[in-house]
Amino acid sequence: QITLKESGPTLVKPTQTLTLTCTFSGFSLSTSGVGVGWIRQPPGKALEWLALIYWDDDKRYSPSLKSRLTITTDTSKSQVVLTMTKMDPVDTATYYCAHSLYSNLFDYWGQGTLVTVSS
Amino acid sequence: QSVLTQPPSASGTPGQRVTISCSGSSSNIGSNYVYWYQQLPGTAPKLLIYSYNQRPSGVPDRFSGSKSGTSASLAISGLRSEDEADYYCAAWDDSLSGPVVFGGGTKLTVL
Repeated sequence: QITLKESGPTLVKPTQTLTLTCTFSGFSLSTSGVGVGWIRQPPGKALEWLALIYWDDDKRYSPSLKSRLTITTDTSKSQVVLTMTKMDPVDTATYYCAHSLYSNLFDYWGQGTLVTVSS
Repeated sequence: QSVLTQPPSASGTPGQRVTISCSGSSSNIGSNYVYWYQQLPGTAPKLLIYSYNQRPSGVPDRFSGSKSGTSASLAISGLRSEDEADYYCAAWDDSLSGPVVFGGGTKLTVL
């Protein structure tokens, strides 16, 4: 079955760079149509899409955060890594990674990881 | 400010039918698939509806989706207490807002 799990620091300081890893199983990011995305949710607020990487290494970013985001994949390790630069307290949120397959957008989600930005 | 607009709250009594709306534009709902997610308290979102009105395996047929022009709706019939959750719509977007946009979410309360 498809599973995803996010990992990374729970606390980062303002101006630091955040690196999150999504480790998945049950599918291959080399398979046509497959994608892995990142979505975040500040406490008590709505979901916000951040980035998406496809099986063919096509990468898409939220226009409002594009300058701060980088998404990469390590196919051999079944991992997708998201880096976000210049962290600010407003970036405090639960960060989720999720699987997509063609028209099935985010059909499987990780449990999420809460990242707090504070000095 | 979310690209897709949802009412912040909705409510109903057990057994009722409730609908949640999602308003967008020609670049997203008007020309692309719409998705609905259910988020129970303290858990990750779960895909409820994809491609306008398809349900993943395991999602009860009490949940249905529809689209008209640049708006979409999620209907829940035979409302149950366990349906109390936050519901989000999402869509692909062809404009500079995209390619994925979410709604602001609707908190459904079962009275």
